[in-house]
Amino acid sequence: QKEVEQDPGPLSVPEGAIVSLNCTYSNSAFQYFMWYRQYSRKGPELLMYTYSSGNKEDGRFTAQVDKSSKYISLFIRDSQPSDSATYLCAMTPFSGGYQKVTFGTGTKLQVIP
Amino acid sequence: DGGITQSPKYLFRKEGQNVTLSCEQNLNHDAMYWYRQDPGQGLRLIYYSQIVNDFQKGDIAEGYSVSREKKESFPLTVTSAQKNPTAFYLCASKSVNEKLFFGSGTQLSVL
Repeated sequence: QKEVEQDPGPLSVPEGAIVSLNCTYSNSAFQYFMWYRQYSRKGPELLMYTYSSGNKEDGRFTAQVDKSSKYISLFIRDSQPSDSATYLCAMTPFSGGYQKVTFGTGTKLQVIP
Repeated sequence: DGGITQSPKYLFRKEGQNVTLSCEQNLNHDAMYWYRQDPGQGLRLIYYSQIVNDFQKGDIAEGYSVSREKKESFPLTVTSAQKNPTAFYLCASKSVNEKLFFGSGTQLSVL
């Protein structure tokens, strides 16, 4: 079993829809949770960053962390064609010294105009 | 602008040849990383460096080598021992609060 599981998609939605992207994980030591957006053949770009449990909102994006269920989500409101990309979740244990960042395999999202 | 610069964008390797991928950062981060990305496999860690003159093997280090002589630079050499080098290579640096910042990547292909 992988430490981080993420549905690869592809996920196709109409423009304006609410998108829900999810990851599950097995390592209870993870404390820092991130979502990256990656356009084709580009480097991943950090979208959201959350420490421990709870919600974080930034514009049309909301990140949720449920540590009791080992489940994280990224919601995109009013999705746009420019949101079409692959979304990677990432997580790491407590800070200090070297901590490996573990990535999901990514979910490919297509927003159809 | 602060960031990470990878070069070249595209690279071709002949059989038996070593090639070097460049990674430079001006974010003043101590930690730097090299990842390999293959379709459907996500990001796999090749090497990482916590500080100048120190680096450690990641999960798939065989056939690769690195150096860290300067804080700003972390070049990756793909040696002839790497039999399946075709992939998208990503360099990253990490801030003190665990945020990873990536370069734009290098696509390596075999001729």
